[in-house]
Amino acid sequence: EVHLLESGGGLVQPGGSLRLSCAASGFTFGKHAMSWVRQAPGKGPEWVSVIGGSGDTTYYADSVKGRFSISRDNSKNTLYLQMKNLTVEDTAVYYCAKVEREPYDYWGQGTLVTVSS
Amino acid sequence: SYVLTQPPPVSVAPGETARISCGGDNIEDKRVHWYQQRPGQAPVLVIYYDSARPSGIPDRFSGSNSGNTATLTISRVEAGDEADYYCQVWDSINDQAVFGGGTKVTVL
Repeated sequence: EVHLLESGGGLVQPGGSLRLSCAASGFTFGKHAMSWVRQAPGKGPEWVSVIGGSGDTTYYADSVKGRFSISRDNSKNTLYLQMKNLTVEDTAVYYCAKVEREPYDYWGQGTLVTVSS
Repeated sequence: SYVLTQPPPVSVAPGETARISCGGDNIEDKRVHWYQQRPGQAPVLVIYYDSARPSGIPDRFSGSNSGNTATLTISRVEAGDEADYYCQVWDSINDQAVFGGGTKVTVL
C-alpha cells in the first residue's frame, strides 16, 4: 500500500526558511516523479514543483521559482522541499504527491506551513 | 500560462446526475485529470487521462474531453459524493501543472 507522510511544517516568520520532508513507502520510489502541491486556507490546490525519478529534472511554479528547491534521496525514499524567503502568501497545507506519468495518483495528508509575524 | 475555468457550485438530488465542466483553450489537446476532495482530506484521483478510472473508483464517475471543455460526470449521485472537484492538466509549454479553481458539489 502506498503511503506518503509529510513533516516539517510549522510557524515561521516572514523572510524565514523551512524544509519539508515526505517519507514514501509501498512503491519503488526512485522510479516515479514526485511533486509538491499546496493549498491555502479556503482555496484550491496550487502546484508547486515536480522532480523526476532520478532527481535530474525539476520544474517550479512561477510563484516559488528562485525561493524553493525540490530534491530527493532515493536511498531514503524521501522527498524534500527547501523553502526560503517565505511570505504570508506561502501559508498553506503542503502535500506531497506521487506522479504516475501525469496524474497525481497518491497524496499524503499534508503538513501546514504558517508564515506570520 | 494555461488557465482552467470551472463553474460555480452545483447542487444535485440523490440519484440524479452531476456534470462539472472544466474549460481551457483547446483543452482537447491535453490530458485532463480530476480529483475529489472532501472537507479536511487530501485530494483523491477519480479520473485520469480524460476518462480512465483508478481502481476503487465507482463506474458512476466518468469523464470526457472535447473542444475547449472537459467534463466530469457523476451518475446516480450519492451523499458521499459531496465534495470539491478539481480538474488538472500538464502545461507542456511552460512545464507546469495547472489546477482548475474547483467546483463544490452539494447533494440535496
